[in-house]
Amino acid sequence: ETGVTQSPTHLIKTRGQQVTLRCSSQSGHNTVSWYQQALGQGPQFIFQYYREEENGRGNFPPRFSGLQFPNYSSELNVNALELDDSALYLCASSLADRGPSEQYFGPGTRLTVT
Amino acid sequence: DAKTTQPNSMESNEEEPVHLPCNHSTISGTDYIHWYRQLPSQGPEYVIHGLTSNVNNRMASLAIAEDRKSSTLILHRATLRDAAVYYCIPGGYNFNKFYFGSGTKLNVKP
Repeated sequence: ETGVTQSPTHLIKTRGQQVTLRCSSQSGHNTVSWYQQALGQGPQFIFQYYREEENGRGNFPPRFSGLQFPNYSSELNVNALELDDSALYLCASSLADRGPSEQYFGPGTRLTVT
Repeated sequence: DAKTTQPNSMESNEEEPVHLPCNHSTISGTDYIHWYRQLPSQGPEYVIHGLTSNVNNRMASLAIAEDRKSSTLILHRATLRDAAVYYCIPGGYNFNKFYFGSGTKLNVKP
């Protein structure tokens, strides 16, 4: 089975721009969660998608949005980038509707906003 | 969401056991206790989870207090590869939206 992959690995954007990050879930997983991890801190939950519908959101503004596709790949979109959006963005896939299953994390995308 | 308290850092010698504590005094009666770890420059990885009784797997053991207000992750023989940040996270039965704290940074000395 393939693991969780994310692209790109790194990118640099300018304040005010928009960015799209991509995640490919582990085969067969129906749930994807996105997290933001600032330097030196634990990951913070952004939102979760289950079967292409948003299924819960953390304390993030609406300029953070997402999509999940029928093949269970997903995107995180961030509009009007701010300097504080600089962080590691992690996605995690799971079979979340079948009990306390483990979440499989990707390696992350490092976003720098200048 | 239940809050957790963990030591900021701990140190261990290679091949010795390590006990990583976590306080989760506000945990709900139905929340599981999940442990993840994050090695340098990697995403978090699953370690173990449990509800009430102690749990063992190939990576670690989880000892849960009878009142469920605290738990301890036990690495039976620490290796250099176990150097990581360890997070304990209360979570429900389905659709976990994990709220990570600051975790414990474990340093393993050769």
